[in-house]
Amino acid sequence: DARVTQTPRDKVTEMGQEVTMRCQPILGHNTVFWYRQTMMQGLELLAYFRNRAPLDDSGMPKDRFSAEMPDATLATLKIQPSEPRDSAVYFCASGLDSSGEKTQYFGPGTRLLVL
Amino acid sequence: EDQVTQSPEALRLQEGESSSLNCSYTVSGLRGLFWYRQDPGKGPEFLFTLYSAGEEKEKERLKATLTKKESFLHITAPKPEDSATYLCAVRSSASKIIFGSGTRLSIRP
Repeated sequence: DARVTQTPRDKVTEMGQEVTMRCQPILGHNTVFWYRQTMMQGLELLAYFRNRAPLDDSGMPKDRFSAEMPDATLATLKIQPSEPRDSAVYFCASGLDSSGEKTQYFGPGTRLLVL
Repeated sequence: EDQVTQSPEALRLQEGESSSLNCSYTVSGLRGLFWYRQDPGKGPEFLFTLYSAGEEKEKERLKATLTKKESFLHITAPKPEDSATYLCAVRSSASKIIFGSGTRLSIRP
């Protein structure tokens, strides 16, 4: 049963610290998405990769957030420096983006608390 | 502006009482409408993808339908284990993905 995995599951840090979240997409999937979920805003798309190339990161605060895919099995989302308003659950999702299939499969999320 | 609106925000049903959840959307060039189920503390779980008006998909007690302006998630004879938040999302021709705020469904035994 293939699944998206995310680490860490929970992270508590202090304001100003760097935070790195990792995601392992489902083997064979060619798209990776990063989302942020809060009670107030719901699910927001932060960044989107296809075949490891960033296609859209317009939802991401550029001054402190960065997303990369060093290889096909790893996606990272970094926040530097972190702020209390970054507290949220961060989800990674992967999919096989073909002409007829656009479905995404979500990981369990990283719950981030910035004090 | 692309937009997704889900209603109602919350719905409480008795076990066995059928109902429907609504997802209204405006999007430039629909490339897919998605339904997800999310349990507390977990990531959204994929249910259905619909691509064109008139399309329908079923899975156990759930049936999703799509028109040019909205989608319905029909739940027939629900059970307590169907309690969850149901999320709707659309993907536009510009590959923008927008989620609705969800419907919290609670099924009483």
